[in-house]
Amino acid sequence: DAMVIQNPRYQVTQFGKPVTLSCSQTLNHNVMYWYQQKSSQAPKLLFHYYDKDFNNEADTPDNFQSRRPNTSFCFLDIRSPGLGDAAMYLCATSRAGGDGETQYFGPGTRLLVL
Amino acid sequence: AQSVTQLDSQVPVFEEAPVELRCNYSSSVSVYLFWYVQYPNQGLQLLLKYLSGSTLVKSINGFEAEFNKSQTSFHLRKPSVHISDTAEYFCAVSGSNNAGNMLTFGGGTRLMVKP
Repeated sequence: DAMVIQNPRYQVTQFGKPVTLSCSQTLNHNVMYWYQQKSSQAPKLLFHYYDKDFNNEADTPDNFQSRRPNTSFCFLDIRSPGLGDAAMYLCATSRAGGDGETQYFGPGTRLLVL
Repeated sequence: AQSVTQLDSQVPVFEEAPVELRCNYSSSVSVYLFWYVQYPNQGLQLLLKYLSGSTLVKSINGFEAEFNKSQTSFHLRKPSVHISDTAEYFCAVSGSNNAGNMLTFGGGTRLMVKP
């Protein structure tokens, strides 16, 4: 089945230690998104890629970076995680201009910062 | 600009009872509408969506939602809930006027089904 895959499902890191979360997709969608979701809140968009074009939300901290080496993969890098960065990180994909640009989400990576 | 309001943060209901989760939106453009469900420690799963055509849309597990343009609403309903429906439900909208419209989420409604 076509899907969005996130690894790992749970990630523990230390305060200030860089961490990378990964997302891959078999849907062949050209748009990929990264969201941050804190407890009991709606997901908050960090950035998205339209093909190779990177789009950063205005209030996304500089501590968060992203890479998309090819259509299938996208990475979220947190350069110096703080305690406030502990959250669920969700990857999503969509097909630009089709299907109402419906976003399909992965299972998420829960990040714990010690 | 768009906004989504989910009027109830929590909805407790007994098993086999009907339920309605309310969603209202505001937008200056035509919209697409979505309901997502999130089980604990999981991602968001698309439950149903309205893009065009019939204003009543249904999911495979018995949920349905009706797009009401005049009331700017997209309420989610199920005639008889199960314990397994316990989850967080998010209503979301995006503009349909051009490509590249981002999703705007409501604050979520926690459905708690009690035996």
